[in-house]
Amino acid sequence: AQKITQTQPGMFVQEKEAVTLDCTYDTSDQSYGLFWYKQPSSGEMIFLIYQGSYDEQNATEGRYSLNFQKARKSANLVISASQLGDSAMYFCAMREARFYNQGGKLIFGQGTELSVKP
Amino acid sequence: DGGITQSPKYLFRKEGQNVTLSCEQNLNHDAMYWYRQDPGQGLRLIYYSQIVNDFQKGDIAEGYSVSREKKESFPLTVTSAQKNPTAFYLCASSLQVSNQPQHFGDGTRLSIL
Repeated sequence: AQKITQTQPGMFVQEKEAVTLDCTYDTSDQSYGLFWYKQPSSGEMIFLIYQGSYDEQNATEGRYSLNFQKARKSANLVISASQLGDSAMYFCAMREARFYNQGGKLIFGQGTELSVKP
Repeated sequence: DGGITQSPKYLFRKEGQNVTLSCEQNLNHDAMYWYRQDPGQGLRLIYYSQIVNDFQKGDIAEGYSVSREKKESFPLTVTSAQKNPTAFYLCASSLQVSNQPQHFGDGTRLSIL
């Protein structure tokens, strides 16, 4: 079974509008962390935002916010006021507590390709 | 500036040849990682290291080898046993704290000649 599911292979958004990228996850650990990364066409992975499973408030970083619904096991990324430079692949990733002492590996979803239209 | 440097950016491998991808970090991170990314896919973990002179297999270690002789360096060798090496390889490092992100290099694109 997929640990991280991103159901939207590709999405379009108009410049200056908000967009939500979906991410659902599957874990039996009580403690875990969720990360979102951006990968432009050049290939580097850029860290955007982090949400811990015990964090009571949704994480925010500038134009990025995370809509965390723990009971539904979803951690959707919201990008407000989209810009042309936001066009990229976006990956959701999870770090489970069982791996904290084993290198803290991340499990990645398949990604969502976001295209921002002028 | 602190960061992760991967080289080369592009690499070509001949049949039966081993090739080594370089990864150097100056972030003073203990943990380092190698991932493989295939077109349209997420990242899969090849190897990771939490400390110098120690490393562990990830999910797809077959056909790959690593070393960690220095804290700053974590080279990956793609051996001739890896029958489908064409992919994008990303190196990452992090502090060993649960809420800290992994920081990535710019990647190496490996192709078969």
